[in-house]
Amino acid sequence: DVKVTQSSRYLVKRTGEKVFLECVQDMDHENMFWYRQDPGLGLRLIYFSYDVKMKEKGDIPEGYSVSREKKERFSLILESASTNQTSMYLCASSSEGQVGWYTEAFFGQGTRLTVV
Amino acid sequence: AQSVTQLGSHVSVSEGALVLLRCNYSSSVPPYLFWYVQYPNQGLQLLLKYTSAATLVKGINGFEAEFKKSETSFHLTKPSAHMSDAAEYFCAVSDRKGTGGFKTIFGAGTRLFVKA
Repeated sequence: DVKVTQSSRYLVKRTGEKVFLECVQDMDHENMFWYRQDPGLGLRLIYFSYDVKMKEKGDIPEGYSVSREKKERFSLILESASTNQTSMYLCASSSEGQVGWYTEAFFGQGTRLTVV
Repeated sequence: AQSVTQLGSHVSVSEGALVLLRCNYSSSVPPYLFWYVQYPNQGLQLLLKYTSAATLVKGINGFEAEFKKSETSFHLTKPSAHMSDAAEYFCAVSDRKGTGGFKTIFGAGTRLFVKA
């Protein structure tokens, strides 16, 4: 089974702290994603990466950065946490598939971050 | 840009009744379409996907979806609801980036309630 593991299920941080959310996948997938999930808004893409050291901004990158130094690990960084970043964060990975067509994303369990 | 609209943030059905969750997409190219399910406090799990091989797609747990290009729809159905189907369901469309890689656009989600 494909496994995507997020380092924490629940996290409480203070305003202004630097926060690291870690995600590891064990299926040698090329693509990795960070989403933010809020009620009524669905999943919104923060950043994604299609290769080591490569990253692209998603729809809501402001206030976030990412790091992908190894293929299996994709980190989301909140440079200075704010209360409006309280949310559920979901990491996902996917393979490029055969002949470059898309395969589905596999998700981690999520990290519920509360910024106080 | 591609987008996904899910009609109805909440749907309630009786156990044994038909489940119909609606999804419309916008895309300028043939899309890859997906339905995911999220059970409480878990990540998302793939139900089914459309990749142009067949317009009627069967997924797990008795769900299926029909791709209708003329209506730009990909509605999810199940003939007979079970209590265990209570969850949040997300429709999604993929979008290949010109620089490489894919990103997935998610709808806002539909929460399904099943009454005994």
